[in-house]
Amino acid sequence: KAGVTQTPRYLIKTRGQQVTLSCSPISGHRSVSWYQQTPGQGLQFLFEYFSETQRNKGNFPGRFSGRQFSNSRSEMNVSTLELGDSALYLCASLLEPAFQETQYFGPGTRLLVL
Amino acid sequence: ELKVEQNPLFLSMQEGKNYTIYCNYSTTSDRLYWYRQDPGKSLESLFVLLSNGAVKQEGRLMASLDTKARLSTLHITAAVHDLSATYFCAVINYGGATNKLIFGTGTLLAVQP
Repeated sequence: KAGVTQTPRYLIKTRGQQVTLSCSPISGHRSVSWYQQTPGQGLQFLFEYFSETQRNKGNFPGRFSGRQFSNSRSEMNVSTLELGDSALYLCASLLEPAFQETQYFGPGTRLLVL
Repeated sequence: ELKVEQNPLFLSMQEGKNYTIYCNYSTTSDRLYWYRQDPGKSLESLFVLLSNGAVKQEGRLMASLDTKARLSTLHITAAVHDLSATYFCAVINYGGATNKLIFGTGTLLAVQP
């Protein structure tokens, strides 16, 4: 079956702009999480969505937001981009109930802010 | 807040040798994961460990979990160059209605011929 897909794969933006990233989970998976990966901070949790509801949010400023649609696809938005937002943004998909399941990661969107 | 520590951060080893990566976490967790990441790529799931004493093996990799010691190990047997990658452990907070993963810092493994 198809894996987690993320679009776009690469993105270059300038400071002050905003960006929207998209994630389509594995078919049947209703839980979607987002992570930011940077060399300095490692892998950090951004948000988790389940059935269109945000279930958990990481310690990021309000410029980072997300949502999930009825087909489980998710988007995250970053407004007023800063240089420090340059990162690999990873989306993970999970089948619920989740106790014995693993989270499957998409290929990521690599964002460069100039 | 749950914290996850991995060591070593960097591991250079020769082909054919054995080594272990350690993952310590600070509070009770009911799920522990190991992932592999190749340069410029995403995370590939290796193992999910759910209970004390759990052991899973795939090829030259074997993972174990000791929930009492809050310790997981990833043992590499007779390393080959193809195992060169960064390995992450990650845990989930116990008892929460969340799948939020807390990741370790990662261990960069370089297997030399």
